[in-house]
Amino acid sequence: DSGVTQTPKHLITATGQRVTLRCSPRSGDLSVYWYQQSLDQGLQFLIQYYNGEERAKGNILERFSAQQFPDLHSELNLSSLELGDSALYFCASSPAHTLYGYTFGSGTRLTVV
Amino acid sequence: AQSVTQPDIHITVSEGASLELRCNYSYGATPYLFWYVQSPGQGLQLLLKYFSGDTLVQGIKGFEAEFKRSQSSFNLRKPSVHWSDAAEYFCAVGAPGGSQGNLIFGKGTKLSVKP
Repeated sequence: DSGVTQTPKHLITATGQRVTLRCSPRSGDLSVYWYQQSLDQGLQFLIQYYNGEERAKGNILERFSAQQFPDLHSELNLSSLELGDSALYFCASSPAHTLYGYTFGSGTRLTVV
Repeated sequence: AQSVTQPDIHITVSEGASLELRCNYSYGATPYLFWYVQSPGQGLQLLLKYFSGDTLVQGIKGFEAEFKRSQSSFNLRKPSVHWSDAAEYFCAVGAPGGSQGNLIFGKGTKLSVKP
């Protein structure tokens, strides 16, 4: 157990729908990072939050959004889902906004049908 | 642009044989370097990382990697592969000094192990 908790583990939904993925960082970690792993794009960084504030943005679609709450857990919201959004979504956390102590969760597998 | 190249998409080795997985990077300066392993349906497990110092890095499960600045490479090695090593391996880079938190990943190398 890495200490980074992602829920749900699996999610199946229809095109056009909206889903929310949740990530609880390791105790004491202030940064949360979201990544998408798909067959065609590989592992791509989506977005980072540090202590409630957006810190860095990667290849995140406008249909996707995220936030980090005061208790430091984070949610990734995916809307108007398309078949191509089917992927494994990983969350990682670290104590600060750097690469020290970087830890990944076990991921949420999203299937859009 | 910053990038990571893993030239081998799929490698098959016999159990007990040695292994080397290649990783080359393109970065403005020497980045922080990582190797992760992912078993089917599982998350990413850190094998080892290089930040600075000794260019030969020891990791978990008997893996090691060598940083070669002149070749912009960070190849992963294991002297004797076990069947349980069958998985996908990802090389990743991050900003030197760890000033930014996101990682750039290679496309991965899938390792199959023959009995």
